[in-house]
This record gives sequence, structure tokens and C-alpha cells, in this order.
Amino acid sequence: GQQLNQSPQSMFIQEGEDVSMNCTSSSIFNTWLWYKQDPGEGPVLLIALYKAGELTSNGRLTAQFGITRKDSFLNISASIPSDVGIYFCAALNYGGSQGNLIFGKGTKLSVKP
Amino acid sequence: NAGVTQTPKFQVLKTGQSMTLQCAQDMNHNSMYWYRQDPGMGLRLIYYSASEGTTDKGEVPNGYNVSRLNKREFSLRLESAAPSQTSVYFCASSQREGASSGYTFGSGTRLTVV
Repeated sequence: GQQLNQSPQSMFIQEGEDVSMNCTSSSIFNTWLWYKQDPGEGPVLLIALYKAGELTSNGRLTAQFGITRKDSFLNISASIPSDVGIYFCAALNYGGSQGNLIFGKGTKLSVKP
Repeated sequence: NAGVTQTPKFQVLKTGQSMTLQCAQDMNHNSMYWYRQDPGMGLRLIYYSASEGTTDKGEVPNGYNVSRLNKREFSLRLESAAPSQTSVYFCASSQREGASSGYTFGSGTRLTVV
């Protein structure tokens, strides 16, 4: 089946550092989404991408829809302690058998003040 | 606040006991989903309901049943709980199946089976 390979699995960074994470697949997708899960809560949508090559920002977060449509990247600039959590990529293929979102396994971010 | 409400938030069951996890959304969404989250495994789809009156299996349906009670409510039932079902369960909803605007998630039910 379709799979999303998300990396890194975890990151330990110092407050103020920039963060990069990515999601790759062997399949082509029409939509890429990035979610953040705070400890003890459900995932919350951060950014949605709908076109190959699209670059979208949400405050200190920037995400890109890869040109090949097989990958996506999320960058966080000048990290702060409240950035702690698990970041999930998700992708959708309108032609998929279920038409449901597929999720990566997440990147766990820890920020040291 | 509008959103997805899950009950209970925490539950401890003995092996073999049954229980139903409740989920309700007030966004008039057509599609609803049940996921389980285990460490290092991400979110795995258990069952989903594309619209009122329909349900379908996801990636890991064994040991679970679901009921789409009406447009608002989608429940998940464990008939005979097993330790392997210890997990965090999330309900989600979307405007329609495969909505490109993504899903709205509840805050989860933390289930421990001993």
C-alpha cells in the first residue's frame, strides 16, 4: 500500500534554532498536509498544500509541496519551547482506493530552553 | 467550541471486558474516522464512515466494530478487549471522504487494557 516515510523520527534542538523535517513516498499525491500534535491532545492542521512546487507559510512555519509530487518539507524558524510536540505529514490521492488521508509516523520535536 | 468531542478521556479495562468509545462532531461534516496511535507507529485507520449510513474497514479493523448512529455521532466498540488494544484512540471528521481541507481531530481516549 501507499506509505509516507517521515524523517527524522525525533529531534532535540536548542531554543532559537531552525528545524527541518520531510516526508517522502514512492507514490504521487495531490495534496500534502502538515499537522502538529501537542502532548495529550489530538493533531491540529498547520498547513495545507495543493499544487506541486507550492510554498506556503504560517508564521514561523514554511512548508513546500515537492515538484515531483512525491515529497513535502516543513521548516520551523527560530524555535521556541511551545513548538514541542509531534509533527505529522499527511497526503491524499484523489484516485486512491479509499480517498482517505495517509499519515507519516511523525517527527517528535523537543526544544531545550 | 465547535469541534469533535470524544468520551471518555481515560479508561482502564480488564482483558475480555467490552466498552464503547463515543465521538460526536458539530461541524455538519459528512465523513468520520477512528484512528489508533501507538508509539512509533503514527496514526492507523481503524474504521471510517464516508457518509451517514455507511461504514468501511481501515488498515487495522480486527477486534473493533463501529456504528454511525446519525450524522453527528460515530462510536467504536471493543467487544472483548485485549492488551494489544492498549492505545490512544482518536476520532476525526471531514467535510467529505478524502477532503483536501484535512480532518478535524478530537482530543483522544487513552485506553489501557490489563
